[in-house]
Amino acid sequence: NAGVTQTPKFQVLKTGQSMTLQCAQDMNHEYMSWYRQDPGMGLRLIHYSVGAGITDQGEVPNGYNVSRSTTEDFPLRLLSAAPSQTSVYFCASSYLTDSNYGYTFGSGTRLTVV
Amino acid sequence: DAKTTQPPSMDCAEGRAANLPCNHSTISGNEYVYWYRQIHSQGPQYIIHGLKNNETNEMASLIITEDRKSSTLILPHATLRDTAVYYCIVSGLEYGNKLVFGAGTILRVKS
Repeated sequence: NAGVTQTPKFQVLKTGQSMTLQCAQDMNHEYMSWYRQDPGMGLRLIHYSVGAGITDQGEVPNGYNVSRSTTEDFPLRLLSAAPSQTSVYFCASSYLTDSNYGYTFGSGTRLTVV
Repeated sequence: DAKTTQPPSMDCAEGRAANLPCNHSTISGNEYVYWYRQIHSQGPQYIIHGLKNNETNEMASLIITEDRKSSTLILPHATLRDTAVYYCIVSGLEYGNKLVFGAGTILRVKS
């Protein structure tokens, strides 16, 4: 199993550009989420999904869109990149059960907006 | 979401047990206590979780007080590779299974 795969690993954008961060998992997890982590800070939840066709906002959703058309994929779209979106982005997935056996995180996408 | 309080940093000697405390006084009855760690700039790694009973796995033990208002993560024989930020999180299905990360505890294991 590949687990959670994020692409690209590194990206530099100019202010105002748009892009999509890809996240794919092969564990048939119902739950997927996106976090951002700024230097020296903890992770903050951007958006999450409890299944295909269902998404919801987290703590810091502004400037980002998501969709969940399949169980496997949960792309994160930056609509118009701003320097404040410079961060490391992590995707995570898990089973949606009472006992939550833990999230599996991807290795991250390091995004710089200039 | 119930909030957690953790010390910002701790030191531990290599080979000794590392005991990381966490306070979660507002935890509700159906919320679990989760522990994750993040080594350098990698993605967080799940360690262990529990509801009310103590738990043990190959990585660590989790001790939850009887009133569930606090817990302790125990790494029985800390190694240099255990140096990381450790996050204590409470969550339940009523919050859509999402995890909200705080600042965590920086554990430094020293030789």
